[in-house]
Amino acid sequence: DAGVIQSPRHEVTEMGQEVTLRCKPISGHDYLFWYRQTMMRGLELLIYFNNNVPIDDSGMPEDRFSAKMPNASFSTLKIQPSEPRDSAVYFCASSLWTSGGYNEQFFGPGTRLTVL
Amino acid sequence: GNSVTQMEGPVTLSEEAFLTINCTYTATGYPSLFWYVQYPGEGLQLLLKATKADDKGSNKGFEATYRKETTSFHLEKGSVQVSDSAVYFCALGFSTNTGNQFYFGTGTSLTVIP
Repeated sequence: DAGVIQSPRHEVTEMGQEVTLRCKPISGHDYLFWYRQTMMRGLELLIYFNNNVPIDDSGMPEDRFSAKMPNASFSTLKIQPSEPRDSAVYFCASSLWTSGGYNEQFFGPGTRLTVL
Repeated sequence: GNSVTQMEGPVTLSEEAFLTINCTYTATGYPSLFWYVQYPGEGLQLLLKATKADDKGSNKGFEATYRKETTSFHLEKGSVQVSDSAVYFCALGFSTNTGNQFYFGTGTSLTVIP
């Protein structure tokens, strides 16, 4: 399996521009998570989906952020308009729930976003 | 509420030293517990896990035991190597009627010097 795939790996943009981050979860996984990591705030859960449905978006910082999962193999995180304080590494992760209990999340390599 | 508290870093050790990174948790129900490791420039990857009380997770010389009585899951390694330099995250997860919940600690940075 290729693991969780994220693109782009690096993104540099200017304040006010729209940014779209992409994620392909591991095939067959039914949970998908978006995280943001910064030195100041550590690892923050932004939103997660179960079977393509958003379950908890309470971590989304503000209306400038939106996430979609149109099908089981693709999700996007969009920031519009972007601001310098959005600069961070954004991780996507996926997991599979089984009756045996909670199973681990598998993380992608991350997208390093720099907003100038 | 549910939460994970782990030892603050950074931690700096000499090669072959003994490592302990403390992790305690607060949870309703019976969570599974995890240690993740993040090497520089990479995503988090699972290091080890334990799904019930008294389970011991182990991998790459690291160990952690799920202690229900002390609500702890401390990470240990008998002899660290330079290649163990990374950030370590303790986490808990469990299933509820409304879905899965997952909580990460703040991470502990480890630097091992030759």
